[in-house]
Amino acid sequence: DAGVIQSPRHEVTEMGQEVTLRCKPISGHNSLFWYRQTMMRGLELLIYFNNNVPIDDSGMPEDRFSAKMPNASFSTLKIQPSEPRDSAVYFCASSFALLDRGNEQYFGPGTRLTVT
Amino acid sequence: KNEVEQSPQNLTAQEGEFITINCSYSVGISALHWLQQHPGGGIVSLFMLSSGKKKHGRLIATINIQEKHSSLHITASHPRDSAVYICAVRMNTGNQFYFGTGTSLTVIP
Repeated sequence: DAGVIQSPRHEVTEMGQEVTLRCKPISGHNSLFWYRQTMMRGLELLIYFNNNVPIDDSGMPEDRFSAKMPNASFSTLKIQPSEPRDSAVYFCASSFALLDRGNEQYFGPGTRLTVT
Repeated sequence: KNEVEQSPQNLTAQEGEFITINCSYSVGISALHWLQQHPGGGIVSLFMLSSGKKKHGRLIATINIQEKHSSLHITASHPRDSAVYICAVRMNTGNQFYFGTGTSLTVIP
């Protein structure tokens, strides 16, 4: 298996533009997680899905952020409009887990977002 | 106040030394994860624990639920172990995850 795939690997955009980050989880995994990592705040969980359904989005910073998982093999994280403080590395991870039980997570390589 | 505290923040060791990284948490949890972030930025999940002890190669992770504490041990450390080690917990009520700020380990040849 290719592992968790994220695209793009790097994104530079201007403030106010829409940004879409993409993630393809490992085939067969039923849970998908979006994380953000900054120097100031470290690693934070933004949202996670189980069986394509958003379970907890309390980590999503504000309404400018939205995430979708239209099917088991694809998820997007969208920021509209983007702001310089959104600059961070965004990781996607997937695992196979039951709803109330955790399991090992496999991380993608991350997308480094820079908003100027 | 952080729900997850790690110590030490930074650690330098000589190759071959036994290393311990500690994680304390203040919330009730269903699971605790140890993550390794390489200098290039990639993240690898090392362990997921809900009780007891797990071992994988030179890595050992233990957890004491009553004391709300976990340790990650590295035996016979090697320069390739140099990385940031992050402790993360999943609450047992709701679905929140909390992360430690990480321990930066450097192993010198």
